[in-house]
Amino acid sequence: KNEVEQSPQNLTAQEGEFITINCSYSVGISALHWLQQHPGGGIVSLFMLSSGKKKHGRLIATINIQEKHSSLHITASHPRDSAVYICAAPTQGGSEKLVFGKGTKLTVNP
Amino acid sequence: SQTIHQWPVTLVQPVGSPLSLECTVEGTSNPNLYWYRQAAGRGLQLLFYSVGIGQISSEVPQNLSASRPQDRQFILSSKKLLLSDSGFYLCAWTGYSGNTIYFGEGSWLTVV
Repeated sequence: KNEVEQSPQNLTAQEGEFITINCSYSVGISALHWLQQHPGGGIVSLFMLSSGKKKHGRLIATINIQEKHSSLHITASHPRDSAVYICAAPTQGGSEKLVFGKGTKLTVNP
Repeated sequence: SQTIHQWPVTLVQPVGSPLSLECTVEGTSNPNLYWYRQAAGRGLQLLFYSVGIGQISSEVPQNLSASRPQDRQFILSSKKLLLSDSGFYLCAWTGYSGNTIYFGEGSWLTVV
């Protein structure tokens, strides 16, 4: 069964700073998900990626399949980016069931 | 477009009372459906998984059960709630190829 670890657990930044959140997993996967959980609890999917890099606005996600590692970057961070960011990977190889990291709580101060 | 809804959003239930959380998906057919629980300070835990009507896989032994009476309806139930059942419950769906996962709004359950 895959194990997903995120770091850091908590992250506080000043507006405008470049943010990096890391995710590592133990079992080779077909794709990894990055999710954002808002303070009210709702979760939205940010990225699903299986190789290389994806960019959406100020968010960039990268993955290194060989090293079993992924990063989520936020450029020019803003207080509205404050949320919990969660990475998730299939429980095993081609499974559609996901195992989730415990999340990184990001607080961006103005 | 596809949407997912779950309700109720918030509920407070006494120990020993029954529970029913409902989730419906619109705009897609034959989705894979999931129930997750997020306890305070912990990650999301998969409770139940369904690939079709009447097909339910339970991931962890617990006081809960799930049913899928229709293709796009997923119900989480309990006959008698325990204090430990308190938490944030999320319904989710993915398509056949396990693409992007979509979550419902979540349901906050407090058992008192």
